[in-house]
Amino acid sequence: DGGITQSPKYLFRKEGQNVTLSCEQNLNHDAMYWYRQDPGQGLRLIYYSQIVNDFQKGDIAEGYSVSREKKESFPLTVTSAQKNPTAFYLCASSIFGRGLNTEAFFGQGTRLTVV
Amino acid sequence: DAKTTQPNSMESNEEEPVHLPCNHSTISGTDYIHWYRQLPSQGPEYVIHGLTSNVNNRMASLAIAEDRKSSTLILHRATLRDAAVYYCILRPQTGANNLFFGTGTRLTVIP
Repeated sequence: DGGITQSPKYLFRKEGQNVTLSCEQNLNHDAMYWYRQDPGQGLRLIYYSQIVNDFQKGDIAEGYSVSREKKESFPLTVTSAQKNPTAFYLCASSIFGRGLNTEAFFGQGTRLTVV
Repeated sequence: DAKTTQPNSMESNEEEPVHLPCNHSTISGTDYIHWYRQLPSQGPEYVIHGLTSNVNNRMASLAIAEDRKSSTLILHRATLRDAAVYYCILRPQTGANNLFFGTGTRLTVIP
C-alpha cells in the first residue's frame, strides 16, 4: 500500500542527546514536510523540501536539522540545541509542481519525550 | 504568506449539520483553500479543497464566498467520529510549496 511512514511511534531520549526521527514515503511525492505539535496547539512548520538535496527552513527551524538525499526519505534530527524538544512530530508529503494543487498526506506521528 | 482565522472551538449535536467558518481576508487570487482534520493522537487527514466554486465530496462540502475572503466547511450530518480539530489553510498555486497550519477549530459532537 502507498503511504507515509514515521518511526518510531514513541521515542524517549535523555537531555543533551541528538535524536533522529524517520519519515519514509512511497507515494513518489516530491515535497516533504516536518511539523511540530505541542499539546492543545496547532502544527508549526519546522522544515520542508521540494526536491532531493534541497530544503527550506520553516517557522521554527532552530535546533533541528534535516537531509533529503533520497526522494523517499526526509529524516529530522532534533539536536541538543533545541531547548524544548518534547513534542509530537508529524511528517507529510505532497506532489509539487507549478499549477498543481493537491492534498498533503501525513504520517501517524512520533511522540518524542526528552527526560 | 496569507493566514487564516478560525474559532477555537465549536459544538454540534449528533446528526445535525455543522458549519465551520474560516476567514482569509488576505488571500491571493491563486491561493487554494484546503481543509484538513486531525483526530486525537493522529496525523491530519485531507478533507476537501477548492479555489472559487463550491465543492462537494463524500466527506463534506466547501462553500467559498464570492470575494474569497471567507469559506465554510459543511458537515451535513455530524457523527461522533467527526469530533476532531479542523484546520483551514491556504495553499499557493505557484511559488513556495510550504503548508502553514493555524490552531484550527476543535469540534465537539454531542450525542
